[in-house]
Amino acid sequence: AQKVTQAQTEISVVEKEDVTLDCVYETRDTTYYLFWYKQPPSGELVFLIRRNSFDEQNEISGRYSWNFQKSTSSFNFTITASQVVDSAVYFCALSEAGDKIIFGKGTRLHILP
Amino acid sequence: EAQVTQNPRYLITVTGKKLTVTCSQNMNHEYMSWYRQDPGLGLRQIYYSMNVEVTDKGDVPEGYKVSRKEKRNFPLILESPSPNQTSLYFCASRILGQLNTGELFFGEGSRLTVL
Repeated sequence: AQKVTQAQTEISVVEKEDVTLDCVYETRDTTYYLFWYKQPPSGELVFLIRRNSFDEQNEISGRYSWNFQKSTSSFNFTITASQVVDSAVYFCALSEAGDKIIFGKGTRLHILP
Repeated sequence: EAQVTQNPRYLITVTGKKLTVTCSQNMNHEYMSWYRQDPGLGLRQIYYSMNVEVTDKGDVPEGYKVSRKEKRNFPLILESPSPNQTSLYFCASRILGQLNTGELFFGEGSRLTVL
């Protein structure tokens, strides 16, 4: 069965600090997909990244980076030099190929000015 | 513009009064799904559909119905709403394929209050 755990319910950091959001997943499939979504205070869900199970390369996009490690079943998300606009709820999600997507419970991130 | 459209965006209703939340996507996606979001519980899947006339229960299907008569539409029906169905609802769609399963595209959400 699929499962996604985001152990950090809420995190607060001061602006310009780096912050890492943890995501641990469980799956029996060898083919699966991992996602991160952002939900700003306005409420919409914004797609950030998709990673498939065959691609363990880390990815960087501006101040955002993702560390995918199959050995520890983790797909962590780091924001470098955080900004107030990064304040949001962040969801990690898992999909086995051709199947439903399961979301973690989310991490609420507060960036303090 | 590629989008998923939900209506209504906000609704206050009373217990037992049937309602339908519509969802439409213009991306020709095979897969569509409904989620509800509640504080501390994240996004939980209600129902999903992998193609026309194919629907399956998610994790919290009780009290809901869906139908998929056309590829673009996936309405969520609450036959007899109850206060515990007060929530924020999201419709989503995505490309479905063995090697190219895509990310979910979400609608803007429908905030439902059942009194």
